Amino acid sequence: SQQGEEDPQALSIQEGENATMNCSYKTSINNLQWYRQNSGRGLVHLILIRSNEREKHSGRLRVTLDTSKKSSSLLITASRAADTASYFCATDPPQGGKLIFGQGTELSVKP
Amino acid sequence: GAGVSQSPRYKVAKRGQDVALRCDPISGHVSLFWYQQALGQGPEFLTYFQNEAQLDKSGLPSDRFFAERPEGSVSTLKIQRTQQEDSAVYLCASSGGQLNEQFFGPGTRLTVL
Repeated sequence: SQQGEEDPQALSIQEGENATMNCSYKTSINNLQWYRQNSGRGLVHLILIRSNEREKHSGRLRVTLDTSKKSSSLLITASRAADTASYFCATDPPQGGKLIFGQGTELSVKP
Repeated sequence: GAGVSQSPRYKVAKRGQDVALRCDPISGHVSLFWYQQALGQGPEFLTYFQNEAQLDKSGLPSDRFFAERPEGSVSTLKIQRTQQEDSAVYLCASSGGQLNEQFFGPGTRLTVL
């Protein structure tokens, strides 16, 4: 059973455009993490945002977190063809340990 | 090592065979996790170790699944009498800090015929 829901399920954009992916979850969290997965590969850790943070930046990535709405968004600015991948949010419940993943957003960036 | 490694990368098994999947975590990482990822889905938690202690095995789908980490480093996930529904990618992750930032290996793709 997965806690998160991601929206949209699939997103297709042109190189240079911005991509926004959203994640909603159901229970309280310690933090929320975003991962990227290229086809047939493992998960690459992108960014972690703590429950007491509202926004975080890393290079072309911007993550926001709204704990009152139990939602997060990942913005990729100035997208590149190499950004084509699936993106997952994962929540870390207060008891720690396992991460609970959403279903993912499949991003396609066309050159 | 530089990252989490898993072996084999691909495994084909006949239904009913036993398989063993290996995970080498990042050196010094205390926590180790196993996840199962079906095609087109997000990873789902199987089990979790802190050092050699298995703290949570609530995600293991049946008693055919067994995991161990006897010396608190390398871990093995064993699946007995494999079934077709066991076909998936098995991901291992390790974590070394208080924030539970998990770093994943490349996964083992298991296909049960």
